Amino acid sequence: EVQLVESGGGLVQPGGSLRLSCAASGITFSTYRMHWVRQAPGKGLVWVSRINSDGSSTTYADSVKGRFTISRDNAKNTLYLQMNSLRAEETAVYYCAREGYYGSGSSRSYYMDVWGKGTTVTVSS
Amino acid sequence: DIQMTQSPSSLSASVGDRVTITCRASQSISSYLNWYQQKPGKAPNLLIYAASSLQSGVPSRFSGSGSGTDFTLIISSLQPEDFATYYCQQSYITPWTFGQGTKVEIK
Repeated sequence: EVQLVESGGGLVQPGGSLRLSCAASGITFSTYRMHWVRQAPGKGLVWVSRINSDGSSTTYADSVKGRFTISRDNAKNTLYLQMNSLRAEETAVYYCAREGYYGSGSSRSYYMDVWGKGTTVTVSS
Repeated sequence: DIQMTQSPSSLSASVGDRVTITCRASQSISSYLNWYQQKPGKAPNLLIYAASSLQSGVPSRFSGSGSGTDFTLIISSLQPEDFATYYCQQSYITPWTFGQGTKVEIK
């Protein structure tokens, strides 16, 4: 069974740090790009970051650039999100997701086809 | 960044109704458009990818269409388990962006 399980969420003070993990099973983790997406309470989905299959290329939303770091350990089938200088408005459920694709070459289409259940991050004093 | 705008933001419908949700991109995204369903307290679930391709295991009452800037998700006959929030999302360019969501409620 394909499964992604996030962990590491919790309560942190503004300005603090937290590292989220996403453990993958049932997939060949090292062949997939992976994403983090967050959702503030009662709000919509917001894309946070993406990493390529070998970890050599990363992309971030402008709102987290310079403060968050996405990484992966393919030997451990685990994705990470290091979050520093956290703000109250970053209180959210954080999801990891696998990037699937359809098609080939320049017309390949991408999507997030496997999601974890999420881990809750609360930034509050 | 590409802005994705969904309409309506919410709607009330009855079981058996045909439901249409639209999504507009702020610039052309070809067919790089995906649709997700999310139920309260649950992770999003992929319904449609590449604007019109049905994800494996998704009922055929869901369909998607469009290209360029205008896209549509149709539920041909609403079922009780379809009451949820639906999001469009572009994968044309990073940062990937989502629409604000459309909440489908029971009339």
